[in-house]
Amino acid sequence: ILNVEQSPQSLHVQEGDSTNFTCSFPSSNFYALHWYRWETAKSPEALFVMTLNGDEKKKGRISATLNTKEGYSYLYIKGSQPEDSATYLCAFTSGNTPLVFGKGTRLSVIA
Amino acid sequence: NAGVTQTPKFQVLKTGQSMTLQCAQDMNHEYMSWYRQDPGMGLRLIHYSVGAGITDQGEVPNGYNVSRSTTEDFPLRLLSAAPSQTSVYFCASSYSRISSYEQYFGPGTRLTVT
Repeated sequence: ILNVEQSPQSLHVQEGDSTNFTCSFPSSNFYALHWYRWETAKSPEALFVMTLNGDEKKKGRISATLNTKEGYSYLYIKGSQPEDSATYLCAFTSGNTPLVFGKGTRLSVIA
Repeated sequence: NAGVTQTPKFQVLKTGQSMTLQCAQDMNHEYMSWYRQDPGMGLRLIHYSVGAGITDQGEVPNGYNVSRSTTEDFPLRLLSAAPSQTSVYFCASSYSRISSYEQYFGPGTRLTVT
């Protein structure tokens, strides 16, 4: 079973702070890396799907980078707001295989 | 589009009972999957389907059956419920089996087995 690690497990930041967290995955047989945002009492929603080494994607104040050679992806949130509070999941696939999810990073933004 | 729908939202079962969790999508997605979410464990794949008539096991398939007779529907059947199956269950769908397409998740079913 492929191992996808996310760190930190949880994070508390003040409103206005910028923050980032990490997803580590196997560097061999890479195909795609997904990021999802999961608010409490809701279902996960896709943020990014990244497939190429060096990919950088951005949606509003949230951005992500990808390094497939060393097996990691960073998610950045600029100027955190209380509505950014959620669990952020990454998921890895090596091809025509199901996604393997990490356990997530739980972000709390304090007003 | 309703997207991915799941019923019921909540269910309480007694040990040994069977039931079916329903999942439907109206996006003509080829790929559908079932996950369970437990505290500290993240999302774990139970079963998935790459198209009508085709299903396969995920990481934690024991105690569950699935079928995919239509593109739209992917029900998950608990054969004989056990307390270890107390969890939140999410159904998801994706345009293609190719994993570069994002998954769309249903609202979840919270199941308690006593």
